[in-house]
Amino acid sequence: QLQLQESGSGLVRASQTLSLTCAVSGDSITSGDYSWSWIRQPPGKGLEWIGSIYHSMTTSYNPSLKSRVTMSVDRSKNQLSLKLTSLTAADTALYFCARGDYFDSAGYYFDSWGRGTLVTVSS
Amino acid sequence: QSVLTQPPSVSGAPGQRVTISCSGSSSNIGAGYDVHWYQQLPGTAPKLLIYANSIRPSGVPDRFSGSKSGTLASLAITGLQAEDEADYYCQSYDRSLSGSVFGGGTKLAVL
Repeated sequence: QLQLQESGSGLVRASQTLSLTCAVSGDSITSGDYSWSWIRQPPGKGLEWIGSIYHSMTTSYNPSLKSRVTMSVDRSKNQLSLKLTSLTAADTALYFCARGDYFDSAGYYFDSWGRGTLVTVSS
Repeated sequence: QSVLTQPPSVSGAPGQRVTISCSGSSSNIGAGYDVHWYQQLPGTAPKLLIYANSIRPSGVPDRFSGSKSGTLASLAITGLQAEDEADYYCQSYDRSLSGSVFGGGTKLAVL
């Protein structure tokens, strides 16, 4: 059974860089034609897609975050990583990693999610 | 402001039927991209409820159904149960943004 586990810096100072990892177990991160994504949820608010990395290792980022985001896959560790620079209080959120699949080439859906890790940006 | 528009809240009595709408545009739902639905119980990660507009993953009760027409998608829940009380999100792809977009979420209250 596929499992995703996020980890990383829970408290980060404003203007600094957030680094998170998502450990994937139960399957290889390179198997199948899946995408791997980061999604966040500010306290009491809705979901926001941050970005995705595809089987081809190409990436796609939310335009509102694109200048600050880097995602990568470490195949040897079977994990996904996220770096978000120049943090502000608006980046305080629960950060999820998720696997993406698609049905008919009409857009990915997220079929497996981690539990999320809370990141608080302090001033 | 979310790219996909959902009502902030809906409610219904046990046993009743409720629907949650998800309105998009010609760059996402109207462009033919699939709509997917997630259920988020309090304090937990979202769970895939419906994918590709109307397909239920294994284990999702058939009380949940999805549909799509034009720029609008809907999630219907019949035989409402107390355990259905949760936040529901729609999601699709937007070709102008070149990425996934979510609705703002709808809180379902079972009265």
